[in-house]
Amino acid sequence: EAQVTQNPRYLITVTGKKLTVTCSQNMNHEYMSWYRQDPGLGLRQIYYSMNVEVTDKGDVPEGYKVSRKEKRNFPLILESPSPNQTSLYFCASSPIKTGPNSPLHFGNGTRLTVT
Amino acid sequence: AQKITQTQPGMFVQEKEAVTLDCTYDTSDQSYGLFWYKQPSSGEMIFLIYQGSYDEQNATEGRYSLNFQKARKSANLVISASQLGDSAMYFCAMRERGDYKLSFGAGTTVTVRA
Repeated sequence: EAQVTQNPRYLITVTGKKLTVTCSQNMNHEYMSWYRQDPGLGLRQIYYSMNVEVTDKGDVPEGYKVSRKEKRNFPLILESPSPNQTSLYFCASSPIKTGPNSPLHFGNGTRLTVT
Repeated sequence: AQKITQTQPGMFVQEKEAVTLDCTYDTSDQSYGLFWYKQPSSGEMIFLIYQGSYDEQNATEGRYSLNFQKARKSANLVISASQLGDSAMYFCAMRERGDYKLSFGAGTTVTVRA
């Protein structure tokens, strides 16, 4: 089944404790991206990647890191989480070859709470 | 500046009736795409419908249709014959030319009443 898989689904952590949210897609998509969703703000892009070893900042990159060492994986790293990073996070992917009308395929989300 | 505006935070609709969700957008590009996603209470994001800026016909997918008014920069989603399972949050999003990012609106919560 074609899918984007994020883990974990739920995560509660404390301020300053490094964490990684994993994301993997099995559709051979070139484009991958991370979003955070907050009430009243919709989804905002954190980072994106157009292909292996190519990453760039989105609209709200502060406090986050990413890497794209393999085409299928795009982990999100919070080196020192803070309470304002409590949010619902989505990983998404899309093919580039089929053009800009291809929808983003989303993972099921990771609900992160930082205390 | 906000690229996607959804002015209705929440709406109620009676089962079997139609509901229209408003979406206006802001772009100076001539080539862009508009998307609608559904987010049920379980949290996943489900793609519903797409409209390209050069598409002459309004997009339709089953009970979903997109009322695209290019001059007004609006892309309203119409859900016909509402069902209880349509209760969810709905997001309008735009992709501009040369960019694979989707810019999202704040969302509209729809509650379908029996």
